[in-house]
Amino acid sequence: QQPVQSPQAVILREGEDAVINCSSSKALYSVHWYRQKHGEAPVFLMILLKGGEQKGHEKISASFNEKKQQSSLYLTASQLSYSGTYFCGTPSDYGNKLVFGAGTILRVKS
Amino acid sequence: DTEVTQTPKHLVMGMTNKKSLKCEQHMGHRAMYWYKQKAKKPPELMFVYSYEKLSINESVPSRFSPECPNSSLLNLHLHALQPEDSALYLCASSPPLGTVAKNIQYFGAGTRLSVL
Repeated sequence: QQPVQSPQAVILREGEDAVINCSSSKALYSVHWYRQKHGEAPVFLMILLKGGEQKGHEKISASFNEKKQQSSLYLTASQLSYSGTYFCGTPSDYGNKLVFGAGTILRVKS
Repeated sequence: DTEVTQTPKHLVMGMTNKKSLKCEQHMGHRAMYWYKQKAKKPPELMFVYSYEKLSINESVPSRFSPECPNSSLLNLHLHALQPEDSALYLCASSPPLGTVAKNIQYFGAGTRLSVL
């Protein structure tokens, strides 16, 4: 079942912060985050493996609330290079399958 | 080497043509994937190979035929495609099951396919 991402799109000025949410109607054991820049392939950012875990990548961090079945991606002091579409992904019940959310388009303006 | 290499980068084909997409990785990953991605949509899983065996086929039409000749190579054979099959085709690989990093998708740059 596809995780639900919000918001669908967000526009920021450089230096502003943003939060992207990912929630699931079923129990989550891990959450992945990817970023895809325009015309490029998705790139893995981080994986959160257990409830309450937080990870960081540059000034991008994430949290995972297993109880609430949701994860949030925090972009702090955004830079132009953060622009792109952010996808969360959750493992399905089948071995290697990852199910992606619909994506959140992030645009950082100067 | 943390790369997944896909060729060609662009492909234009007619509806009667036969072509193949190629994907290669040398990270020792034992799971390889084909995804289809339309504009402004997430990648949509097509096939998964695990230890060179097809483990998932997401009800993909038979005009798409995957092949995994060895643990480093993945091909997607295309035949009699339709214009609606035009999309970005992404290959990915992930570390073996049983590792903490299982399911992490390392994507290739993709092949942009246009079917005329």
